[in-house]
Amino acid sequence: NAGVTQTPKFQVLKTGQSMTLQCAQDMNHNSMYWYRQDPGMGLRLIYYSASEGTTDKGEVPNGYNVSRLNKREFSLRLESAAPSQTSVYFCASSEPRGANTEAFFGQGTRLTVV
Amino acid sequence: ILNVEQSPQSLHVQEGDSTNFTCSFPSSNFYALHWYRWETAKSPEALFVMTLNGDEKKKGRISATLNTKEGYSYLYIKGSQPEDSATYLCAFRGLVDNFNKFYFGSGTKLNVKP
Repeated sequence: NAGVTQTPKFQVLKTGQSMTLQCAQDMNHNSMYWYRQDPGMGLRLIYYSASEGTTDKGEVPNGYNVSRLNKREFSLRLESAAPSQTSVYFCASSEPRGANTEAFFGQGTRLTVV
Repeated sequence: ILNVEQSPQSLHVQEGDSTNFTCSFPSSNFYALHWYRWETAKSPEALFVMTLNGDEKKKGRISATLNTKEGYSYLYIKGSQPEDSATYLCAFRGLVDNFNKFYFGSGTKLNVKP
């Protein structure tokens, strides 16, 4: 019962460094999401993938890229990290067909850019 | 970008108090409204999915109502306990974006004092 697994859990980067956050789900969901959580701002959508092979920008995509590697995996890349990208990142997945579906979240990645 | 608002931003109550919070969302193109419970250092967990105007859901001491015509949902907690301390998020899904996007409010942070 792994659900949504994201790695790493913690990361410290220097300004300008790059890194990739990994996310995998084992629920055969079509849709996957990357959110960032900042104090007082709830969850803001960075990118989402409605299905394998498609990706779309969310509310705050600047500075990020994503890859939907296959149905299970959705990665988030920071090409040149900036202090403004210090945040907690959550990956989520859902099966959007059907109104009663819900989003399942990973445990989060706490990223600090110094 | 859709506007989903939650109030109050934070709430401090005594053990045994009953409380409620509000989620406001667009009254057009409604598809589903979700409530999540988010404990510190954990990932959000689904409480309710509501799809029909007038829906009422209940889980133990927590219940929720939905008014899609005026665009609001209330979450009620009866007899709050310290273990209810968490951030409560609502998320709106609309008929646009192929139902794929969850638009989250910024949450209501509840602190229940023993």
